[in-house]
Amino acid sequence: KAGVTQTPRYLIKTRGQQVTLSCSPISGHRSVSWYQQTPGQGLQFLFEYFSETQRNKGNFPGRFSGRQFSNSRSEMNVSTLELGDSALYLCASSPSIEPRTEAFFGQGTRLTVV
Amino acid sequence: KQEVTQIPAALSVPEGENLVLNCSFTDSAIYNLQWFRQDPGKGLTSLLLIQSSQREQTSGRLNASLDKSSGRSTLYIAASQPGDSATYLCAVKNFNTDKLIFGTGTRLQVFP
Repeated sequence: KAGVTQTPRYLIKTRGQQVTLSCSPISGHRSVSWYQQTPGQGLQFLFEYFSETQRNKGNFPGRFSGRQFSNSRSEMNVSTLELGDSALYLCASSPSIEPRTEAFFGQGTRLTVV
Repeated sequence: KQEVTQIPAALSVPEGENLVLNCSFTDSAIYNLQWFRQDPGKGLTSLLLIQSSQREQTSGRLNASLDKSSGRSTLYIAASQPGDSATYLCAVKNFNTDKLIFGTGTRLQVFP
């Protein structure tokens, strides 16, 4: 069974540009969450999607957005990139929204903003 | 507001040692606690998931315990190996928020 797949693995973008990251959850998993990891702030929750609906949102500016498709694949978009957006972006999938289920993470997308 | 702390921040031990990593949290209203391993530049690998009603979970050389009332969890690694070198993260899932709140991690180095 394939794990969580994130593409691309690495990205270099210029300040002011926008970027789209993709996450394909484990087959059969319907809940997808996104996290940002930086050396200074650690791992911080961005948002969670289930059945194409955003259920939860973290404390990030509106430049960060996401969506989920009917096949449970998810994308996150960051507009007007800032240097501080450089981070490892991690996606996690779970079978359902039942809070006791285990979260499985992908390998992440390393975004560098120059 | 839930805060998760991991001590120590870094640990270096010789191969073969048994070791304990600590995780503490301030709000005991949690569904579960999950331990992860992260290799440099990589994603998170789930190691153990302990539900709030459980006291411990074991997988191979790993044993994790949970004391919800005192807000503590420990990850015990038996007979450590160089391949265990990584950063270990704990995360709790809170009531009402349903999101994982992570600790700052313990960076472990096991040398031959």
